[in-house]
Amino acid sequence: GAVVSQHPSWVICKSGTSVKIECRSLDFQATTMFWYRQFPKQSLMLMATSNEGSKATYEQGVEKDKFLINHASLTLSTLTVTSAHPEDSSFYICSARWGPGNEQFFGPGTRLTVL
Amino acid sequence: QKEVEQDPGPLSVPEGAIVSLNCTYSNSAFQYFMWYRQYSRKGPELLMYTYSSGNKEDGRFTAQVDKSSKYISLFIRDSQPSDSATYLCAMSAGTGGFKTIFGAGTRLFVKA
Repeated sequence: GAVVSQHPSWVICKSGTSVKIECRSLDFQATTMFWYRQFPKQSLMLMATSNEGSKATYEQGVEKDKFLINHASLTLSTLTVTSAHPEDSSFYICSARWGPGNEQFFGPGTRLTVL
Repeated sequence: QKEVEQDPGPLSVPEGAIVSLNCTYSNSAFQYFMWYRQYSRKGPELLMYTYSSGNKEDGRFTAQVDKSSKYISLFIRDSQPSDSATYLCAMSAGTGGFKTIFGAGTRLFVKA
């Protein structure tokens, strides 16, 4: 159990375009979903926390207009990187949590390359 | 000072060795402690989840928490090449709205 999927697993896009990444909890209802960014050989950097039906809470320094997060249902959250630029190239990982516990279940990640 | 300190390694050991991975932390309010394993270009996978002090064993893995020293460890017995990955510690002061803080991760290589 506790499977989280992400789609796409990798994407290459041109500078200036927008990219949407989906995160789904497949076998449980996720009350909270998290979006992380990870640079090579570095740890996870939390970008935002989203609860179903409410606005996402962004970490300091993360542009909410740049990284749009929608958590429309208990099983789906989306991250849209708007007007992507090469510096947005990174590995984006989502995680989901059910109930009040601390365990987060991570998706497989999405590698974004902006040319 | 970071809230959670973890040596990034890399740590290289021969197959069959006992591996010890560690994290220290500064926030005495942390009560929930986790270890995640992350293979290259994959998402982290939860390995161990413990509450407060003490030991927890699961197969070849043992998680140890010493709250008095603010020190947690993950031991891997009979290490295998398939254990080669980055191991991240994580901790939180509570459930619900409390934030989980991750360590930087230790890269482990187990040589056949």
